[in-house]
Amino acid sequence: QVQLVQSGAEVKKPGASVKVSCKASGYTFTNYGFSWVRQAPGQGLEWMGWISTYNGNTNYAQKLQDRITMTTDTSTTTAYMELRSLRSDDTAVYYCAREAYDKSDYWGQGTLVTVSS
Amino acid sequence: EIVLTQSPATLSLSPGERATLSCRASQSVRSYLAWYQQKPGQAPRLLIYHASNRATGIPARFSGSGSGTDFTLTITSLEPEDFAVYYCQQRSNWPLATFGGGTKVEIK
Repeated sequence: QVQLVQSGAEVKKPGASVKVSCKASGYTFTNYGFSWVRQAPGQGLEWMGWISTYNGNTNYAQKLQDRITMTTDTSTTTAYMELRSLRSDDTAVYYCAREAYDKSDYWGQGTLVTVSS
Repeated sequence: EIVLTQSPATLSLSPGERATLSCRASQSVRSYLAWYQQKPGQAPRLLIYHASNRATGIPARFSGSGSGTDFTLTITSLEPEDFAVYYCQQRSNWPLATFGGGTKVEIK
């Protein structure tokens, strides 16, 4: 069965970086890309970007373009999302989701990232 | 950027009632619209993709309709487990996407 298992919660200081992982299993990794979505406390969903596992192509939400990098490691079937220069308003639960053509069909459990001095 | 506006923000209904949720786009997204359900403390769950296609395992009481700028998610008879927040997402200019602000379906 398809599973996406994310890394554990993180606490970071303003200005630091965080790298969240998403370990995939139960399907052919390179047949599907990944999206990353975040959700600030009590708020809605925010789409952050996408990465192709086939060729590494990425596309990021404009507001995050200068601070975000998405990568994948096909040898470990893991996707990564790194966010730099963290601010307090980056405090959120971060989700990875498998991209199946025109839908995000499987989601990770979420990773809470708290940015606090 | 394509903006999605969901209405109402909150829908107060009783089990067994019909729920009608709206999602309006600032410009045409053709049929590239998906709906997700989210319960507290859980990840979103795909319900509908390409405006009207139910995802695997989604009960028939959930249906989606619309194209262009106006979309509807209908739950024909609310079950207790359906009380949650629902989000629409447009994917017409993939690999860019945006979400609507969400509609909370609460027990009346």
